[in-house]
Amino acid sequence: DAKTTQPTSMDCAEGRAANLPCNHSTISGNEYVYWYRQIHSQGPQYIIHGLKNNETNEMASLIITEDRKSSTLILPHATLRDTAVYYCIVRYTGTASKLTFGTGTRLQVTL
Amino acid sequence: DVKVTQSSRYLVKRTGEKVFLECVQDMDHENMFWYRQDPGLGLRLIYFSYDVKMKEKGDIPEGYSVSREKKERFSLILESASTNQTSMYLCASSIAGGPLHEQFFGPGTRLTVL
Repeated sequence: DAKTTQPTSMDCAEGRAANLPCNHSTISGNEYVYWYRQIHSQGPQYIIHGLKNNETNEMASLIITEDRKSSTLILPHATLRDTAVYYCIVRYTGTASKLTFGTGTRLQVTL
Repeated sequence: DVKVTQSSRYLVKRTGEKVFLECVQDMDHENMFWYRQDPGLGLRLIYFSYDVKMKEKGDIPEGYSVSREKKERFSLILESASTNQTSMYLCASSIAGGPLHEQFFGPGTRLTVL
């Protein structure tokens, strides 16, 4: 699975959009980009995933660059409850289905 | 909603004890996983199972074993607990096949080995 690079931490004001970048320059053609988040004292929670097209769901949007070497997770209107560690994961969707988590980005949403 | 439950939220054991961590999921998922999470190291995969009685080593299987006798239950076993196994343990499950390998996680068990 391709390795990812994320900033260690970010701050965002409540109500503003939070844009979390992820670098995955060694991604291969059959690898997807997944985002999970982990709120303090809870297990990780799936947010969104994509292959090459931009994706949107009720939680977030995922923007993947045309060369697929990087992506951005967008929380359009961050709230205090979005304070969490966000993990960007790149992996092939083979039968093993395992995820390799890095250390993620700690997003702090403030008033 | 998928529910993944773990037998304990907090556990304290002594060095050398045999420890069982239980995980149960209620959505008939084929795949189940055990991770440990440590500060600065993120989540690391210990073992996973893609069917009853099947198991595969993850990235850090040493010192652990697993058991999957029923589809809904996946147990992590520490044969002889050591202090370096003090950690947060997370169980997850997912369906098999297809691109939507969303993993559902339990709340975690914080294990302290004294």
